[in-house]
Amino acid sequence: NAGVTQTPKFRVLKTGQSMTLLCAQDMNHEYMYWYRQDPGMGLRLIHYSVGEGTTAKGEVPDGYNVSRLKKQNFLLGLESAAPSQTSVYFCASRLDRGTENYGYTFGSGTRLTVV
Amino acid sequence: ELKVEQNPLFLSMQEGKNYTIYCNYSTTSDRLYWYRQDPGKSLESLFVLLSNGAVKQEGRLMASLDTKARLSTLHITAAVHDLSATYFCAVGLSGTYKYIFGTGTRLKVLA
Repeated sequence: NAGVTQTPKFRVLKTGQSMTLLCAQDMNHEYMYWYRQDPGMGLRLIHYSVGEGTTAKGEVPDGYNVSRLKKQNFLLGLESAAPSQTSVYFCASRLDRGTENYGYTFGSGTRLTVV
Repeated sequence: ELKVEQNPLFLSMQEGKNYTIYCNYSTTSDRLYWYRQDPGKSLESLFVLLSNGAVKQEGRLMASLDTKARLSTLHITAAVHDLSATYFCAVGLSGTYKYIFGTGTRLKVLA
């Protein structure tokens, strides 16, 4: 089925380890976003991309890096994981500007625990 | 800086009752979205509101937007248990591609 696929779905990391979360979409969407969701804080924007080869910072970018080498993929990296990065991470995508009638399509989320 | 506030944060209501969830935002925006999230699940798009006075309805849910007051409402009519979920509004920051989410309203409809 078409949509947004996130891998992995669950991960436990030790403090200081690194990892990459992968988001893949097959809808030819231009815009892609990474959010983290924490209890009582809603979703906070980490980084986003408005097209292949472009990235920009969101509300809470520190400790994360991203890359958009291919239009369909948006990678979120943690170089040195910290317990404060324990969260549920959601990737989302949408069509380009001019099609605001469409909301995001969200992935199913990645639950990350840093111990 | 765009801030988005939702209230209430928690809402417990009886089946058959009506209630309204509010979404206030702090700066100019030209688009607002409502999403639903079931426990442990991803977010599902409910409504897109793009202009002042816009009103959208789907079943027992109706969303409206007042850009002058910087306020959107999600009205629930004759609530049923299946509407139990967390509801988020998301506001687009004018001139950017950023969307800022509210903190969410956890709705529990009691049978």
